[in-house]
Amino acid sequence: RKEVEQDPGPFNVPEGATVAFNCTYSNSASQSFFWYRQDCRKEPKLLMSVYSSGNEDGRFTAQLNRASQYISLLIRDSKLSDSATYLCVVRPSGTYKYIFGTGTRLKVLA
Amino acid sequence: EPEVTQTPSHQVTQMGQEVILRCVPISNHLYFYWYRQILGQKVEFLVSFYNNEISEKSEIFDDQFSVERPDGSNFTLKIRSTKLEDSAMYFCASSEPSLGELFFGEGSRLTVL
Repeated sequence: RKEVEQDPGPFNVPEGATVAFNCTYSNSASQSFFWYRQDCRKEPKLLMSVYSSGNEDGRFTAQLNRASQYISLLIRDSKLSDSATYLCVVRPSGTYKYIFGTGTRLKVLA
Repeated sequence: EPEVTQTPSHQVTQMGQEVILRCVPISNHLYFYWYRQILGQKVEFLVSFYNNEISEKSEIFDDQFSVERPDGSNFTLKIRSTKLEDSAMYFCASSEPSLGELFFGEGSRLTVL
């Protein structure tokens, strides 16, 4: 099983749609969780950290399910500017290593 | 806003040559990283560095690679005897003492001919 697994997509959605991405991780001792956004040929940038109780930042909502080793990202009211690759990132406890998923590509269509 | 800076932005080299990629992490960060992304593939961990030594490294980070913090600000990745498959974007990143968010530089694109 891959350490961090994501559906690569692409997800093609119309503007204004709601879209959800999922991510599973294999190491149950994982401690920190993040969603990053990566535009084509650019560096990854933090979208949001993911907390145990779930958290929201504007149109973005992240959820963590430790029992199922599963993280989700929900984007409401998609904008054209949301088109990017969304990377799930996990740091297991006791390590310095941040492990990236392959990313899910989102394309928001006008 | 503080940022991680990387040089060069693009380097072209011949197979077998040595390259050094340079990074200036954010000044109050204590953890430093190199990641690699081959075109169209995922971001892969190479090495982490803390307290002037390697804290963790991946299987990719073999004897061909080395890292150094030669002074108080720079963090370098040296790749010896480059191979075609070393062609990739190399990202430097740094993190605060709390090991929260990773901050990335804009990357150094390495092309090996």
